[in-house]
Amino acid sequence: EVQVVESGGGLVQPGRSLRLSCAVSGFTFDDYAMHWVRQVPGEGLEWVSGISWNGRTRVYADSVKGRFTISRDNGKNSLYLQMNSLKGEDTALYYCAKDHLAIFEGVPSAFDHWGPGTQVTVSS
Amino acid sequence: DIQMTQSPSSLSASVGDRVTITCRASQSISTYLNWFQQKPGKAPKLLMYTASDLQNGVPSRFSGSGSGTDFTLTISSLQPEDFATYYCQQSYSTPLTFGQGTKLEIK
Repeated sequence: EVQVVESGGGLVQPGRSLRLSCAVSGFTFDDYAMHWVRQVPGEGLEWVSGISWNGRTRVYADSVKGRFTISRDNGKNSLYLQMNSLKGEDTALYYCAKDHLAIFEGVPSAFDHWGPGTQVTVSS
Repeated sequence: DIQMTQSPSSLSASVGDRVTITCRASQSISTYLNWFQQKPGKAPKLLMYTASDLQNGVPSRFSGSGSGTDFTLTISSLQPEDFATYYCQQSYSTPLTFGQGTKLEIK
């Protein structure tokens, strides 16, 4: 059974940093691309970042480019999101999502398994 | 960026009804279109990928169609568990973008 579980969320002051983690099991992690998607409660979904199976391709939404860094450790079956210079508008529930393909650019990718999410609140 | 626009934003229907939700892309995305269902307090669930392929385990009352800029998700006979919010999402180019959602409510 595929399992995806996020951790690392919490309350943080504007301008500070936070690192999210995503632990997975039930599939061969280094066969698939992975993503972070966020959602403000009561609002829609926003893709934040994606990383290819080998980590060579990393893409970000404009809203987080230069502040967030996605990474993965295939030996530990884990995905990460380093979030720096946090702003109030980064407050959201952050989901880790598995792709059904190894890459996500130029191919019909899809997020086929999601974790329950971890809440990030940026406030003084 | 490719903008995804869903209609309607909300919809009231009854159990047994046939329901169609529309998604329009701001430029052609071939069939690089996915549909998700989200229930309150839960993560989204993939229903359809590449416009018309049913994800494993999803009931056959769900179907998808379209290509280019116009897509539809159809539920042939609404069941109580289908009342949720539905999102389309394009995977044609980054940034990957979602529609604003369609909330399907019980009439």
